[in-house]
Amino acid sequence: SQTIHQWPATLVQPVGSPLSLECTVEGTSNPNLYWYRQAAGRGLQLLFYSVGIGQISSEVPQNLSASRPQDRQFILSSKKLLLSDSGFYLCAWSHVGIEQYFGPGTRLTVT
Amino acid sequence: EDQVTQSPEALRLQEGESSSLNCSYTVSGLRGLFWYRQDPGKGPEFLFTLYSAGEEKEKERLKATLTKKESFLHITAPKPEDSATYLCAARAGGTSYGKLTFGQGTILTVHP
Repeated sequence: SQTIHQWPATLVQPVGSPLSLECTVEGTSNPNLYWYRQAAGRGLQLLFYSVGIGQISSEVPQNLSASRPQDRQFILSSKKLLLSDSGFYLCAWSHVGIEQYFGPGTRLTVT
Repeated sequence: EDQVTQSPEALRLQEGESSSLNCSYTVSGLRGLFWYRQDPGKGPEFLFTLYSAGEEKEKERLKATLTKKESFLHITAPKPEDSATYLCAARAGGTSYGKLTFGQGTILTVHP
């Protein structure tokens, strides 16, 4: 069966510090991968998606970037965090046309 | 622009009191309507996919239905453990990467 992991689970970082969140998927190959952000009391906003190694597309302009160095690894990064980057970050995987499966999430607080 | 709107924003029920959650969508060429359950501090858990008007799916006390403009999540005789945020999402046609447009969610609280 497929499993998706995210770490860390929680993170508190000062403004201006760098960020690296990691997501890995087990039990499947060549998945589509997604990064979402969920603000308190709001729906999910798609940040990045990837259909293959090294292929990254951004949905909204922002202070963040993403990379996919391996088939089942997806990384979300920032060089300098802003207060507005706080939120709940979710990684998801899917095969095209089928439902997306989400990881446990990372709670990021920028202070 | 694709839009998904859920109502009500919050719903409080007594245990055993059946009700429905609504998800209205405006997308170009619907390719799937998805329901998820999200517990506080956790990632969404997949519940159902509906593809065409008239389709229904059931799982325990939950039943999802789909029309050409909206989807309903019916909860029959709910229990306190059904308390969660329920999210719906729609996939429009023409996207090769399976982009989903999410609603804001309905927070369901079931009191014993």
